[in-house]
Amino acid sequence: GENVEQHPSTLSVQEGDSAVIKCTYSDSASNYFPWYKQELGKGPQLIIDIRSNVGEKKDQRIAVTLNKTAKHFSLHITETQPEDSAVYFCAARGMGASKIIFGSGTRLSIRP
Amino acid sequence: DTAVSQTPKYLVTQMGNDKSIKCEQNLGHDTMYWYKQDSKKFLKIMFSYNNKELIINETVPNRFSPKSPDKAHLNLHINSLELGDSAVYFCASSSPQTLAFFGQGTRLTVV
Repeated sequence: GENVEQHPSTLSVQEGDSAVIKCTYSDSASNYFPWYKQELGKGPQLIIDIRSNVGEKKDQRIAVTLNKTAKHFSLHITETQPEDSAVYFCAARGMGASKIIFGSGTRLSIRP
Repeated sequence: DTAVSQTPKYLVTQMGNDKSIKCEQNLGHDTMYWYKQDSKKFLKIMFSYNNKELIINETVPNRFSPKSPDKAHLNLHINSLELGDSAVYFCASSSPQTLAFFGQGTRLTVV
């Protein structure tokens, strides 16, 4: 079945530096890749997503890239701020599929 | 207005009890899910319903029984609770072209 691997599991960066989280997926039919941010005590919230017909998408300090050939996609956060500290999940969903498969999560800590 | 709401937010109960968690979405989505998040923060799908019909049933003990009275509601009933059932349970909803919205979670503690 579909599998999504996410690395690293923990990431600590200095405030103002960039953070990169990487994911790989196994099902070549996957065509939708959302990223979620989960703050303490809250449910995951979508922060950005990308579809398989696009290689890169940017929203202010957050960008996502997708390499369909290699089945890799990555989240890039630039100019990190303390409020970026959270657990981030990548996910993948196949065309017409109802199941969204999540990566194992990355705990991002921003050092002041 | 809350898009996906689940109750209760916290649930503490003894082993062997039966409990239910309720979920409602007001987004008009056709698909609803239950996810379990363990202590290591891993999110694992349990069930998915589309228009009140079960379409995904992962390897979950049959003590867990979802019920969807209508497409805006998906409740989770758990029989004979065990210590290992302690986790945070998230309800979510989506439609084919949209992202999944999550509820705030229900933290279940079995003692």
